[in-house]
Amino acid sequence: DAMVIQNPRYQVTQFGKPVTLSCSQTLNHNVMYWYQQKSSQAPKLLFHYYDKDFNNEADTPDNFQSRRPNTSFCFLDIRSPGLGDAAMYLCATSRGLKRAFFGQGTRLTVV
Amino acid sequence: DQQVKQNSPSLSVQEGRISILNCDYTNSMFDYFLWYKKYPAEGPTFLISISSIKDKNEDGRFTVFLNKSAKHLSLHIVPSQPGDSAVYFCAASEGNSGAGSYQLTFGKGTKLSVIP
Repeated sequence: DAMVIQNPRYQVTQFGKPVTLSCSQTLNHNVMYWYQQKSSQAPKLLFHYYDKDFNNEADTPDNFQSRRPNTSFCFLDIRSPGLGDAAMYLCATSRGLKRAFFGQGTRLTVV
Repeated sequence: DQQVKQNSPSLSVQEGRISILNCDYTNSMFDYFLWYKKYPAEGPTFLISISSIKDKNEDGRFTVFLNKSAKHLSLHIVPSQPGDSAVYFCAASEGNSGAGSYQLTFGKGTKLSVIP
């Protein structure tokens, strides 16, 4: 029973064409995170929501935006994807227990 | 500048033997450490964690050791099984950050192969 669900699992988008990745959770966790993981690299935090409060990492490009319309859903919007944005995007949730639960990830390909 | 380092990209171990995965960190504010396991095409799954007030935590075949003075932790898997073959990520957090949430800083991972 998946608790953090990411859709789609695989996404192909054209260079410069906006794309949205989605994440939903059934854990009722108040914190949701988006990580970017490139091949053979460490997952890198892009931003997170603590309840409705949005927290952007200092080095996250402006090209990346996020929305959290309610507790259960969080979206990652890439306004103008470049070839360098091809990566695995991981959504995670937590409720102050210091243990994050991850979704299966969305593999983004930019063509 | 990586704050969490896993210096061994890969490790091969014979089935039944001990696997030791190592992790070093530089940020002295980290007070909570986790190990995640990741299979191909899946997200990381939580394995075991340790708070900085402890130096050892054990869960079945998995034991994590923390040496704060050396800023080093290790994950021991014994006995190793073929199903343990995966990428293992070390992660750390500053538990009581002002943002009130627990961002994780990850290492690059170590790919463990357990040979039958």
